[in-house]
Amino acid sequence: GAGVSQSPRYKVAKRGQDVALRCDPISGHVSLFWYQQALGQGPEFLTYFQNEAQLDKSGLPSDRFFAERPEGSVSTLKIQRTQQEDSAVYLCASSLGLAGSWSYNEQFFGPGTRLTVL
Amino acid sequence: LAKTTQPISMDSYEGQEVNITCSHNNIATNDYITWYQQFPSQGPRFIIQGYKTKVTNEVASLFIPADRKSSTLSLPRVSLSDTAVYYCLVGDPRYNTDKLIFGTGTRLQVFP
Repeated sequence: GAGVSQSPRYKVAKRGQDVALRCDPISGHVSLFWYQQALGQGPEFLTYFQNEAQLDKSGLPSDRFFAERPEGSVSTLKIQRTQQEDSAVYLCASSLGLAGSWSYNEQFFGPGTRLTVL
Repeated sequence: LAKTTQPISMDSYEGQEVNITCSHNNIATNDYITWYQQFPSQGPRFIIQGYKTKVTNEVASLFIPADRKSSTLSLPRVSLSDTAVYYCLVGDPRYNTDKLIFGTGTRLQVFP
């Protein structure tokens, strides 16, 4: 595809349910990022993958949040036992991931998944 | 990572030039200044990046003074479709693993 796609675009979950959010990055992009955006705020970093390796998960708010990218392309963000404070837009971004280069690795964002926990 | 400060919101009218200033007093030598734009219900989109002086592309211009402690994003002759949130970010682009640190951004509202 031409850009980063995410599915579903909208998800409503009852408190306590598990959810899985999917991200399809731009083909060939090595780096993949997940961000969480609360209403009226800027996106906040959750986790980062380089190919299939999760190199940084410092932004994951709790052990209920889990992300994977098993084959180095599609990624899934899973939230277990959802809570109302998990309600937010979850954004995925990918970049070429050129190592050691002065070229800016522009991050291309998907449209996000809006999660509402009732 | 250098902290940035920018106005929470700005209003303008179609056809006017809009200048959004960002302060980054603690910018490091290797840091670049990057601006992203976010429309409602969409992810942020890169619009421009610079290190010093002036950078111009088809969308905007970026003015950076010699001390680099601030920068100004200039949008010429805005239209209704420029209504969006604009984020100023500072960081070293060499590190492709570097997560983006967004602030709350500047919400620009363009009126007819």
